[in-house]
Amino acid sequence: AQKVTQAQTEISVVEKEDVTLDCVYETRDTTYYLFWYKQPPSGELVFLIRRNSFDEQNEISGRYSWNFQKSTSSFNFTITASQVVDSAVYFCALRGYSTLTFGKGTMLLVSP
Amino acid sequence: DAGVTQSPTHLIKTRGQHVTLRCSPISGHKSVSWYQQVLGQGPQFIFQYYEKEERGRGNFPDRFSARQFPNYSSELNVNALLLGDSALYLCASSLAGGPTNTGELFFGEGSRLTVL
Repeated sequence: AQKVTQAQTEISVVEKEDVTLDCVYETRDTTYYLFWYKQPPSGELVFLIRRNSFDEQNEISGRYSWNFQKSTSSFNFTITASQVVDSAVYFCALRGYSTLTFGKGTMLLVSP
Repeated sequence: DAGVTQSPTHLIKTRGQHVTLRCSPISGHKSVSWYQQVLGQGPQFIFQYYEKEERGRGNFPDRFSARQFPNYSSELNVNALLLGDSALYLCASSLAGGPTNTGELFFGEGSRLTVL
């Protein structure tokens, strides 16, 4: 069975602070894909990144960066210089040979 | 270009009633998936349809059913509603199909169902 754990239920930061959202996963599949989604108050899930299990190279996209470590089964997400517009619930998700499994999400509150 | 559209956006039902939720995928997308998101939880997979055939089913009772039409739009039906069915129901579309499809899913804004 697949499992995704996002231990941080809620994080509050002040604008311009850096923040890291943790994601730990469990799977017996040898090939799998990891995702991060953002869910603003409107409810729509917005795709941020997809990473396959054979590519451990970290990725940076603007203020966003992702750290994939297969040895610790973690796929952490860092926002640099956070902004109020980053406030949302962020979900980590995993897909192996079965369907997409989401974590419970981390609510990020960025205050001015 | 239009994204994934869902209707209705909000609805209130009473226990025992039936509900139909609708989803139109992005133009060109042939796969539609349905997810249930209970407050404070991550989305849980209900169904996936590709080319009008069911390609995956999550751990939900038979009260939940779905179908996909020739134009690739989809309906999710829930019979004999329970209080626990109150949730945000999300529809997602993608180009390819199959339960192991690793392509990007594009989500709609969801239908928020309240069961009283």
